Amino acid sequence: KQEVTQIPAALSVPEGENLVLNCSFTDSAIYNLQWFRQDPGKGLTSLLLIQSSQREQTSGRLNASLDKSSGRSTLYIAASQPGDSATYLCAASGGTGGFKTIFGAGTRLFVKA
Amino acid sequence: GAVVSQHPSWVICKSGTSVKIECRSLDFQATTMFWYRQFPKQSLMLMATSNEGSKATYEQGVEKDKFLINHASLTLSTLTVTSAHPEDSSFYICSAKGPNRAFFGQGTRLTVV
Repeated sequence: KQEVTQIPAALSVPEGENLVLNCSFTDSAIYNLQWFRQDPGKGLTSLLLIQSSQREQTSGRLNASLDKSSGRSTLYIAASQPGDSATYLCAASGGTGGFKTIFGAGTRLFVKA
Repeated sequence: GAVVSQHPSWVICKSGTSVKIECRSLDFQATTMFWYRQFPKQSLMLMATSNEGSKATYEQGVEKDKFLINHASLTLSTLTVTSAHPEDSSFYICSAKGPNRAFFGQGTRLTVV
């Protein structure tokens, strides 16, 4: 059964800092791994999706990497801004249990102005 | 990109009544859809896998008689919360399995009073 773990659970940083969010998953037979952003009381915003054959994806100040063999992914946020404050969710799709998407508990990020 | 529409976006209902939530894939056919529930300050938990033309598969601990799932067409799955109680108040999100990935709806916030 796939389990997804995110570290840290919460993070508070000053504006402008570069930061890394970590995600690990137990079943490496995934189809893809996705990073989402969720603002309080809102739905999911897809940030980056990495297919199993890929090593990383980049969008603006965001870069996500995937190491299937070690069951890890990282989300790198460069030059953080107060508007980046949100909960970031890592989600692994696929595995031996089928195409289910399993979410981590999230990292709550607060960027101080 | 592919779009999944979820309706309604929010609903308030009286305790004991039933509420139906719809999940539609607008520009692709989805033989498989998924339903998730998110309690406040928690992550998304998979409730069930909905397969077109067959019975849904429920995750452990999810009452199938309380959360009725119908996937009658390749573009529509519905979740009906029967005899809703205040503890069923939550954020419900669906996803549809599309080409190479899952696409998520914007969620439905259910409040049972």
